[in-house]
Amino acid sequence: NAGVMQNPRHLVRRRGQEARLRCSPVKGHSHVYWYRQLPEEGLKFMVYLQKENIIDESGMPKERFSAEFPKEGPSILRIQQVVRGDSAAYFCASSPTWGQGNQETQYFGPGTRLLVL
Amino acid sequence: SQKIEQNSEALNIQEGKTATLTCNYTNYSPAYLQWYRQDPGRGPVFLLLIRENEKEKRKERLKVTFDTTLKQSLFHITASQPADSATYLCALGSNTGFQKLVFGTGTRLLVSP
Repeated sequence: NAGVMQNPRHLVRRRGQEARLRCSPVKGHSHVYWYRQLPEEGLKFMVYLQKENIIDESGMPKERFSAEFPKEGPSILRIQQVVRGDSAAYFCASSPTWGQGNQETQYFGPGTRLLVL
Repeated sequence: SQKIEQNSEALNIQEGKTATLTCNYTNYSPAYLQWYRQDPGRGPVFLLLIRENEKEKRKERLKVTFDTTLKQSLFHITASQPADSATYLCALGSNTGFQKLVFGTGTRLLVSP
């Protein structure tokens, strides 16, 4: 049973470049969440997606950030024109499909550590 | 605004003792509360969930209490071991249908042999 997988684990970008973070949820899970963790801060919710739908993006910055969870393939968090303040650990989590388990429990991936130079 | 407070100072205890961590919240009426463990460089790992109508939950050496009047949860690890050393996060969830979690900043636990 593979857990949540994220890649890359570490990503270095220069200011102005694009960052693409990938997340494969637990097999059979159809809910994906992205969180950001800044140094010495707690995890902050960014976005909640189901297959092909963005359900709640209230934690996403209005500009430069986007997320998708296509019918096939991993969920992608995309950051355009990165700035130094985007440096953080980005965690993806997944939870079971409705009726197939405890939807409140989220299973986290190992995270992607983004460093913007 | 919603606020979740966990003791930012590390908790140092000796092996075998009971560790007690606190999570307080304001401006929030959670439907449930969860505790996660996070090791350095890794993602959080789910430990326990307790719902608003539950007072206490146990799992092996772990015990969680939830007081919605005090707006507080206590997390206990009995017979602590050095392997329990980690950062422990509390997270609140609502029942609006959107399952996003609101996390505290975590408390670092250090268990000395």
